[in-house]
Amino acid sequence: AQKVTQAQTEISVVEKEDVTLDCVYETRDTTYYLFWYKQPPSGELVFLIRRNSFDEQNEISGRYSWNFQKSTSSFNFTITASQVVDSAVYFCALSESPGNTPLVFGKGTRLSVIA
Amino acid sequence: DTEVTQTPKHLVMGMTNKKSLKCEQHMGHRAMYWYKQKAKKPPELMFVYSYEKLSINESVPSRFSPECPNSSLLNLHLHALQPEDSALYLCASSHPGQGYEQYFGPGTRLTVT
Repeated sequence: AQKVTQAQTEISVVEKEDVTLDCVYETRDTTYYLFWYKQPPSGELVFLIRRNSFDEQNEISGRYSWNFQKSTSSFNFTITASQVVDSAVYFCALSESPGNTPLVFGKGTRLSVIA
Repeated sequence: DTEVTQTPKHLVMGMTNKKSLKCEQHMGHRAMYWYKQKAKKPPELMFVYSYEKLSINESVPSRFSPECPNSSLLNLHLHALQPEDSALYLCASSHPGQGYEQYFGPGTRLTVT
């Protein structure tokens, strides 16, 4: 059975601090996909990144970076120099193959960035 | 363009009403999804359509009735809802097949009185 655990329920940081959001997953498949989504107070889920199980390269996009480690079944997300606009709920999600298998979401981490 | 639109943004309905939620995308995606999200919880999948055919129904009560009239449109018909059905209803779309990211609309915030 697939499962995603985001142990941090809420995190509060001061603007310009770096923050890492943890995501640990469980799956029996060798082929799977991991995602991060951002949900600001407006409600819309915004897609941030997709990673497949065969690609362990870390990725950086501006102030965002992702660390994928199969050995520890983790896909962590770091925001560098956080800003107030980063305040949102962040969801990690997992999808197994094949077909339109549903996204399994973690419970989310609520990030508050204080000016 | 990665936009999924949903109407209405807010809906208040009584338990005897019939209403519909609408979702539209023009990204050429052939998979579309309905999710329900309660406050401080992750989204829960309700239905998946693939190539306009219902492929997944997550044991959703029959008072929710989905419809996919064409590849760009997805409706959710509501009838005889309960107050506990009050939630944010999110629509999403993606390319069909494994591992494609889903793009979400802004949601309809539904209140059942």
